[in-house]
Amino acid sequence: QQQVKQSPQSLIVQKGGISIINCAYENTAFDYFPWYQQFPGKGPALLIAIRPDVSEKKEGRFTISFNKSAKQFSLHIMDSQPGDSATYFCAASIGETSGSRLTFGEGIQLTVNP
Amino acid sequence: GAVVSQHPSRVICKSGTSVKIECRSLDFQATTMFWYRQFPKQSLMLMATSNEGSKATYEQGVEKDKFLINHASLTLSTLTVTSAHPEDSSFYICSARKDRGDTQYFGPGTRLTVL
Repeated sequence: QQQVKQSPQSLIVQKGGISIINCAYENTAFDYFPWYQQFPGKGPALLIAIRPDVSEKKEGRFTISFNKSAKQFSLHIMDSQPGDSATYFCAASIGETSGSRLTFGEGIQLTVNP
Repeated sequence: GAVVSQHPSRVICKSGTSVKIECRSLDFQATTMFWYRQFPKQSLMLMATSNEGSKATYEQGVEKDKFLINHASLTLSTLTVTSAHPEDSSFYICSARKDRGDTQYFGPGTRLTVL
């Protein structure tokens, strides 16, 4: 059972555009939702994370929007750059931080064309 | 700060041999380390959770006798793939956290190829 599902499966945007990646979860006990960025041959790096008591969190060009009733959250990358081309994973855990057991989504490949 | 390293970064071995992968927290003491496995173009799947000084907790479906995990110190955990076979070829990633409420920091991964 896939507890965390991402969409779309892949995404191509032009430089300067907005990249939007969506994630849906099933377990209502999840209370911590991070997004990770992974470059080929490297481990994932934490980008931004949110808890269900807020609906939006922004850090630089990255914004998470959270919809608790729909059990969905999304990552928005503003002013997308070619250097943002990577695989993006959403994840969820029960616990206050990503130090708890993480369940990852399938990942999506983002390509930002120059 | 909060750097996690893995060694080796790549390893190629023959079928039937055993391979050891090291995960080190370089600038902090990690009470818990996690081991993940990632197949090409797929997600990270948690294999096991190890706490320093105690036995690892394996996820359902992960063979504990095949994937031996040792977390003997607060800065080092090892994963040994015993009697490796081609289907064990994968990208193995570890992560570490300082304390129960802290963030997981991921290592760069180890690419294992079993011929």
